[in-house]
Amino acid sequence: AQSVTQPDIHITVSEGASLELRCNYSYGATPYLFWYVQSPGQGLQLLLKYFSGDTLVQGIKGFEAEFKRSQSSFNLRKPSVHWSDAAEYFCAVGGSGYSTLTFGKGTMLLVSP
Amino acid sequence: DAGITQSPRHKVTETGTPVTLRCHQTENHRYMYWYRQDPGHGLRLIHYSYGVKDTDKGEVSDGYSVSRSKTEDFLLTLESATSSQTSVYFCAITPGQGGNTEAFFGQGTRLTVV
Repeated sequence: AQSVTQPDIHITVSEGASLELRCNYSYGATPYLFWYVQSPGQGLQLLLKYFSGDTLVQGIKGFEAEFKRSQSSFNLRKPSVHWSDAAEYFCAVGGSGYSTLTFGKGTMLLVSP
Repeated sequence: DAGITQSPRHKVTETGTPVTLRCHQTENHRYMYWYRQDPGHGLRLIHYSYGVKDTDKGEVSDGYSVSRSKTEDFLLTLESATSSQTSVYFCAITPGQGGNTEAFFGQGTRLTVV
């Protein structure tokens, strides 16, 4: 069965500092990988996705993620965090022929001044 | 923004009462999903639908039923609400199979069972 692990429940980053959120997945074939962001009281919004090709994918709001098959990882990065990036971030995995996504438990990002 | 409307947005109900949550979409997408979100658990799939009258169970389907009589509407029913069903419920839609395409989410329904 597919699964996603986000090891960090909370992360605090200073504004302007770089960010990396970790995601490890378990999937038996080529995965489809996603990062979503959720602001308080809102639904989830897609940040970026990886289906195939270049392992470094760019997303909205200056985020990027790198797919590393050997490590079963899809970590999210941003070079300089803004206070508005404070939110909860979810990694998800799916696959071709599957009807559903499996989400991680989320990482709450706090941004300190 | 994807045209997804969840109603109600907030509801307080008593233990043992039936509750129905509605998800309405204007995108004509085939797949619709109901998730619940709880602290420490992330999003867990309750039920999903892959067409009118076609539904399937997710990870946490016990105590829930769904119906889809029209493409645009997907209803989630708690037959007899329990305190463990206090949660935030999200509807999502995808144009194709959800495992390989972007999901669009509604704003959520906060349900409290007292």
